Amino acid sequence: GAVVSQHPSWVICKSGTSVKIECRSLDFQATTMFWYRQFPKQSLMLMATSNEGSKATYEQGVEKDKFLINHASLTLSTLTVTSAHPEDSSFYICSASNSQYYQETQYFGPGTRLLVL
Amino acid sequence: GESVGLHLPTLSVQEGDNSIINCAYSNSASDYFIWYKQESGKGPQFIIDIRSNMDKRQGQRVTVLLNKTVKHLSLQIAATQPGDSAVYFCSWGSGNTPLVFGKGTRLSVIA
Repeated sequence: GAVVSQHPSWVICKSGTSVKIECRSLDFQATTMFWYRQFPKQSLMLMATSNEGSKATYEQGVEKDKFLINHASLTLSTLTVTSAHPEDSSFYICSASNSQYYQETQYFGPGTRLLVL
Repeated sequence: GESVGLHLPTLSVQEGDNSIINCAYSNSASDYFIWYKQESGKGPQFIIDIRSNMDKRQGQRVTVLLNKTVKHLSLQIAATQPGDSAVYFCSWGSGNTPLVFGKGTRLSVIA
């Protein structure tokens, strides 16, 4: 089946530093990738949608200059949390789809836990 | 039984019993619905989906029911096993809108 990986699986960083999270589709070409964040005991909140080769579409309230998304190839998308602060600590999850249509199945990565000290 | 915690409702069932997890969705224009299972510290795992032109779909030990009139979705798990313990999320969307995830329900299976 379709496999999506994320790296790193967890990261601890100091406040003010930037952190890059990678999302890879291992056995299929991901036309669209999605980035979510999830706080403890809460649901997934979509941050942005990215299509290969174009700028990401950010959800309302998500700062695009703080959460930089690059979807440079059909198998890789990266999320960079710039100047991270403790309130950015969260579980970040990516998903990938081989379709441009939202209603097609997304395959989720295992998530990256970020702790900002 | 079912209880509502601070953020996540919890459903406790005995091993071997059937589980029913309910979800109310908000967008009547949605035409695609998916149930995901999320184990602690992991990403969501696809369980079953259903499109709006159906009201029931069965998988292996799971059944999804859709009632568009009242915007209600349910997931039934037959013969619940300890490995079914997880948080279950319903989600909904359409061709031109991204998936929205419901609040989630924690299923706890009592051996």
